[in-house]
Amino acid sequence: NAGVTQTPKFRVLKTGQSMTLLCAQDMNHEYMYWYRQDPGMGLRLIHYSVGEGTTAKGEVPDGYNVSRLKKQNFLLGLESAAPSQTSVYFCASCARGDQPQHFGDGTRLSIL
Amino acid sequence: GQSLEQPSEVTAVEGAIVQINCTYQTSGFYGLSWYQQHDGGAPTFLSYNALDGLEETGRFSSFLSRSDSYGYLLLQELQMKDSASYFCAVIGPAGNNRKLIWGLGTSLAVNP
Repeated sequence: NAGVTQTPKFRVLKTGQSMTLLCAQDMNHEYMYWYRQDPGMGLRLIHYSVGEGTTAKGEVPDGYNVSRLKKQNFLLGLESAAPSQTSVYFCASCARGDQPQHFGDGTRLSIL
Repeated sequence: GQSLEQPSEVTAVEGAIVQINCTYQTSGFYGLSWYQQHDGGAPTFLSYNALDGLEETGRFSSFLSRSDSYGYLLLQELQMKDSASYFCAVIGPAGNNRKLIWGLGTSLAVNP
């Protein structure tokens, strides 16, 4: 079982470049989330989706955009990368908001 | 405001019992979850309490007291592989899509 798959696993960008992180889940989950994790900061919610075609802002949405065109995929975009966006990004999914979240292995993103 | 407090670090020896506390202040509460994260890995779900009392899953137990806004994770018969970070997370109200509010994590070191 693949579960939640994130691509890429690692990426180095230059300031001002753009990129898209892909999250795919094969569990038919309705809810999907994008978090960032920085040392000593725990997990902070960037954006989330409660179903295909829906997106909503989380705790730290500035500088990011998302799309959920297909139920199984949740894309996170950085339009103009900044060094402050250097972080580990985790995608998660769950069947309902009160159900356990299943996480991908993370994308380690460095912006120079 | 919304906040969760848990100790930043805990140290214990193999075979011992350790308790990781979590206190919370949130505007809405549906349940308390615990997640484990090994260095460089993804968070994985451990347990969930929606009602007061103790939930047991093998060597791990979790407790909730809604009246005290307090919960804890109890790890018994500690093994070296239990060295990891442990996060408590409050499940928010339905009006907030039951988003998780995360603590900053407790780093558990298990020594021989």
